[in-house]
Amino acid sequence: GNSVTQMEGPVTLSEEAFLTINCTYTATGYPSLFWYVQYPGEGLQLLLKATKADDKGSNKGFEATYRKETTSFHLEKGSVQVSDSAVYFCALPLSSGSARQLTFGSGTQLTVLP
Amino acid sequence: DTGVSQDPRHKITKRGQNVTFRCDPISEHNRLYWYRQTLGQGPEFLTYFQNEAQLEKSRLLSDRFSAERPKGSFSTLEIQRTEQGDSAMYLCASSVLGTDNSPLHFGNGTRLTVT
Repeated sequence: GNSVTQMEGPVTLSEEAFLTINCTYTATGYPSLFWYVQYPGEGLQLLLKATKADDKGSNKGFEATYRKETTSFHLEKGSVQVSDSAVYFCALPLSSGSARQLTFGSGTQLTVLP
Repeated sequence: DTGVSQDPRHKITKRGQNVTFRCDPISEHNRLYWYRQTLGQGPEFLTYFQNEAQLEKSRLLSDRFSAERPKGSFSTLEIQRTEQGDSAMYLCASSVLGTDNSPLHFGNGTRLTVT
């Protein structure tokens, strides 16, 4: 089935720093790609998604571009805030026949210091 | 929108005991999912319901695990004869019936500790 490899953490940045969290995938075809975020004490929530190659997903200042040439979906933000401290998960469907079974990366813990 | 609700938040049990968790999805969501998350890992898919029908099950779901969604609303996940390896966060999620890109809405999870 499909799989995703995510940049290991933890990542610690100062406020207003630039953020990149790497995510590469192995997949049959071109499945949708997702970034989920888990804030402390809360459930996972969808941050952004891209449904086809070259699409750019964006939300709350975060962006990720679906790049089939490099099989990547890196998460970026130009200026992080303390409130962005959370765990970030890259995800995609396990297989084309099981689009509802998402497989997740191991997560990257981000801490933003004031 | 009250979100996905899970009960209990925490459960400590002794090895060999049975436990049951409950999930109440967002009311208009037809799809319901169970995932398991261990420390430092991403969630792993366990099973999926569309209305009351259990349509997909992971190979991770051993015979000791059973999930139900009898009326197509809330769901229960039961683990029989718990083992220490069952200790994890059990997450429930729901989504609307639509495209496969419909986002999953997760609850805050039930943390199980088996002693």
